[in-house]
Amino acid sequence: GAVVSQHPSWVICKSGTSVKIECRSLDFQATTMFWYRQFPKQSLMLMATSNEGSKATYEQGVEKDKFLINHASLTLSTLTVTSAHPEDSSFYICSAREKGNGYTFGSGTRLTVV
Amino acid sequence: GENVEQHPSTLSVQEGDSAVIKCTYSDSASNYFPWYKQELGKRPQLIIDIRSNVGEKKDQRIAVTLNKTAKHFSLHITETQPEDSAVYFCAAGLSDYKLSFGAGTTVTVRA
Repeated sequence: GAVVSQHPSWVICKSGTSVKIECRSLDFQATTMFWYRQFPKQSLMLMATSNEGSKATYEQGVEKDKFLINHASLTLSTLTVTSAHPEDSSFYICSAREKGNGYTFGSGTRLTVV
Repeated sequence: GENVEQHPSTLSVQEGDSAVIKCTYSDSASNYFPWYKQELGKRPQLIIDIRSNVGEKKDQRIAVTLNKTAKHFSLHITETQPEDSAVYFCAAGLSDYKLSFGAGTTVTVRA
């Protein structure tokens, strides 16, 4: 089945620094990937849709300058949290869909900003 | 956009009993309805999905029903086991497009 790899699985960074999270489709090509944010005991909130070779589409209320998304190839999308602050601490998770199959999630990244 | 509501938020069942989770959606154009199971600290795993041209789908102890007219779909888990304890999310959307998720249901199966 489709496999989506996400790295790192957890990261601790200092306030004001930037963090990059990678999402890779290992055995299929994904023209579209999705980035979600999940707070403890809450649902998955879609942040943006990552489109290969073009700009990402951000959901209302998500700051595009803060959450930079790059989808330079058919198998890799990156999310960079810029100038991170403690309120950005959360579980970030990506997903991708292989044609004919359902959406597969990455393993998620737990970001802690101190 | 699509709005998905999910009930109940928590569900406690005795081992061996059935569990039912219900979701409603708002966008009549949605045609893909997956269900995910998420264990603590782990990624959501697709457990079953249904498309709008099907009213019911079953996979062993799990079944999903869809009523497009009423815009609601349900997950049924029969003969529940302790390993079924997790958070379950429903979602709705258009195939090849973004999904909107319900708020989740925390299922606890009591041994």
